[in-house]
Amino acid sequence: AQTVTQSQPEMSVQEAETVTLSCTYDTSESDYYLFWYKQPPSRQMILVIRQEAYKQQNATENRFSVNFQKAAKSFSLKISDSQLGDAAMYFCAYANYGQNFVFGPGTRLSVLP
Amino acid sequence: DVKVTQSSRYLVKRTGEKVFLECVQDMDHENMFWYRQDPGLGLRLIYFSYDVKMKEKGDIPEGYSVSREKKERFSLILESASTNQTSMYLCASSYRGVNTEAFFGQGTRLTVV
Repeated sequence: AQTVTQSQPEMSVQEAETVTLSCTYDTSESDYYLFWYKQPPSRQMILVIRQEAYKQQNATENRFSVNFQKAAKSFSLKISDSQLGDAAMYFCAYANYGQNFVFGPGTRLSVLP
Repeated sequence: DVKVTQSSRYLVKRTGEKVFLECVQDMDHENMFWYRQDPGLGLRLIYFSYDVKMKEKGDIPEGYSVSREKKERFSLILESASTNQTSMYLCASSYRGVNTEAFFGQGTRLTVV
């Protein structure tokens, strides 16, 4: 069975600084997707970024980028120029084609003014 | 915009009651999911469905059942609510296959007293 681990229950970053959230996963599949979801206090889960495992290039969405290391089964999220609105729970997730999504335990990110 | 709607944002029920949580999606997604979210545990899959009338048990199905009579609607049923089922419940949907991404409802915070 696939598992997703996030070793940092809580992180904090100064506004305008950069922070990296860690995620590792375990799977025997070669093709899959990895995701970072954000859950603000409103509770609405929002997709931040997605990475297809067959793509070697790391995904980027504005201030958000990932470092995908397939051999090491590592998928970290870097947030640049952190803003107060980035404060939220961040969940790393794995999905195989057409199958269910497996989530990590989450990292609570605080942004300090 | 994709919309996943859960019938209640907050719910308080008594021990032993039969509880129905409803979820509707408007994007013709094949897959629908029910997750339970607890602090420090992330999102744990209760059940998922990949087609009408089809269902598969997730990681924590005990005490729950589901119904999917129409493609757009997926119901979670607590047969006899217990206090240890007090939690946040999240519904999600996705296409089956490539370009998969889970879209979430706003969550139902259920309290069983």
